[in-house]
Amino acid sequence: ETGVTQSPTHLIKTRGQQVTLRCSSQSGHNTVSWYQQALGQGPQFIFQYYREEENGRGNFPPRFSGLQFPNYSSELNVNALELDDSALYLCASSRGEGEGETQYFGPGTRLLVL
Amino acid sequence: AQSVTQPDIHITVSEGASLELRCNYSYGATPYLFWYVQSPGQGLQLLLKYFSGDTLVQGIKGFEAEFKRSQSSFNLRKPSVHWSDAAEYFCAVGPSGGFKTIFGAGTRLFVKA
Repeated sequence: ETGVTQSPTHLIKTRGQQVTLRCSSQSGHNTVSWYQQALGQGPQFIFQYYREEENGRGNFPPRFSGLQFPNYSSELNVNALELDDSALYLCASSRGEGEGETQYFGPGTRLLVL
Repeated sequence: AQSVTQPDIHITVSEGASLELRCNYSYGATPYLFWYVQSPGQGLQLLLKYFSGDTLVQGIKGFEAEFKRSQSSFNLRKPSVHWSDAAEYFCAVGPSGGFKTIFGAGTRLFVKA
């Protein structure tokens, strides 16, 4: 069983640029959640996708957007990058939105905005 | 407001000693509670979760946690710490398995020989 993978592992961008981060969910999982983890903090929920539809959103501005594809892989797009967007971005997949489902996390993409 | 508090930013224990990491939460409804571990450069690994039933939950790697509704706490314990347990530990709460999960700021565990 293949776990959750993310690409790239590291990325450096400059303020104002746009970035796309990718996540391949674990086999059999149809739900993907994205989190932002700033240095020294816990992960913060950005949004969740269930069967290609956004299923809920945390307290992040619209310049954070996402997609989920028919194979349930997902992208996180961030426009107009700001210095505070520097963080580890984690995706997690699960079998569904039902109660009790366990999330499985990928290793993350570390983004540095200069 | 919904929140998770981990009062200890870091804890140092000797190898073989017992461990307790504290977690307090504020949540309007009956929460789902989780403990995750994160090693440097790694994603999060689920140690254990509580949804309902027995308030003492057993997890992987010899960890357990106890849910105390009256104290809004979900403390993580291990009777004998190994050097490989050195990592960052996160307590989390949510309405289900993953949706809008709220994480604490984490407790970094150092293990001394």
